[in-house]
Amino acid sequence: DIQMAQSPSSLSASVGDRVTITCRASQDIKNYVAWFQQKPGKAPKSLIYAAISLQSGVPSQFSASGFGTDFTLTISSLQPEDSATYYCQQYHSYPHTFGQGTKLEIK
Amino acid sequence: QLQLQESGPGLVKPSETLSLTCTVSDDSMSSPTYFWGWIRQPPGEGLQWIGTISYSGTTSYNLSLKSRVTISKDMSKNQFSLKLSSVTAADTGAYYCARRGKGYVWGQGTLVTVS
Repeated sequence: DIQMAQSPSSLSASVGDRVTITCRASQDIKNYVAWFQQKPGKAPKSLIYAAISLQSGVPSQFSASGFGTDFTLTISSLQPEDSATYYCQQYHSYPHTFGQGTKLEIK
Repeated sequence: QLQLQESGPGLVKPSETLSLTCTVSDDSMSSPTYFWGWIRQPPGEGLQWIGTISYSGTTSYNLSLKSRVTISKDMSKNQFSLKLSSVTAADTGAYYCARRGKGYVWGQGTLVTVS
């Protein structure tokens, strides 16, 4: 199975801060990466697909980059509603594995 | 706007079979563009991919569950289904259906307790 090492596991930041979350794949997965946001008690929400493409309706403060094994999700100016857990997922090879999640807290 | 809705029992006895259905609100199951899948999340834990079915009916499963999992679809009803046999308490959690195309669309999820 392809492992997705996501970091950090948690972080705390202030409104207006720039925040970056990373995922490292255990092998080359091209651009087959998605990013999700999940708030407590809710279903995940799709943010990014194909490593860099913003899902329709997602605010432009979210962006992503990467290809091959290293991927990042960036929130350019943190808002209170961005408090959530964020997951990466690879869909290059079955099983489609997820990172372990990053819990983002707003100070 | 596309919606996916999970349905099925919220309580399943140990050793029995968990059965869930996902109903798709549009006709996108008739398109070869999309894949249809199930993901679960144990309480307080992360996301676990269960498996996927394609337009052609090809299935792929998480090997850790493979001997117990069956995903099927009924395009005439705009539905796809999950069956997980011989369940234990470790199968308790939220179960989500999702469509993968250009990005994902998720159902709201359903909580299943094995007890």
